[in-house]
Amino acid sequence: GAGVSQSPSNKVTEKGKDVELRCDPISGHTALYWYRQSLGQGLEFLIYFQGNSAPDKSGLPSDRFSAERTGGSVSTLTIQRTQQEDSAVYLCASSLVGDGYTFGSGTRLTVV
Amino acid sequence: ELKVEQNPLFLSMQEGKNYTIYCNYSTTSDRLYWYRQDPGKSLESLFVLLSNGAVKQEGRLMASLDTKARLSTLHITAAVHDLSATYFCAVDMRGSNYKLTFGKGTLLTVNP
Repeated sequence: GAGVSQSPSNKVTEKGKDVELRCDPISGHTALYWYRQSLGQGLEFLIYFQGNSAPDKSGLPSDRFSAERTGGSVSTLTIQRTQQEDSAVYLCASSLVGDGYTFGSGTRLTVV
Repeated sequence: ELKVEQNPLFLSMQEGKNYTIYCNYSTTSDRLYWYRQDPGKSLESLFVLLSNGAVKQEGRLMASLDTKARLSTLHITAAVHDLSATYFCAVDMRGSNYKLTFGKGTLLTVNP
């Protein structure tokens, strides 16, 4: 596609529920990154994919967070048993390795 | 651990004035980025700076990089209201899978 597409754009969920966030990167971009933007913490790295592999998961805040990427394309970030501190905007970016990044418009997650 | 510091975090200016935003980073990095973010929107890439002494300009914004001082500046010339946004600098390194480390952002408000 022309840009990085993320869905849903907004998600409100009850505490304790699981949520899935989707990222559809630019076609041909082998690298995919997830970031989280919250008021208190700024922009934080979560996980990096190269193809379908995730060589760097160092930013995932807890084992409630997981992500996968299939077909070297779409990625899903899953948060299990959501907590209020998970409320944030989740941004996805894709790139050719070593090249610039294109960010999606983000998913605003609110846990109530 | 790579750290990125921006200052000021808040900047209120009058139209027509000049000002500079500073970005310091803690270790040698490969690339320095400046992004703009409007409220509720994603990150828009402004500049990518690759080498010492690099200078790039787009309209009223000019970015520069001093790798020896580990300092980048974003200079605003004759500010206009449309420049009101949050500006982030970020750096990446090949050795860390090119994941971005962001500064906390500078909220710029240009008053008519």
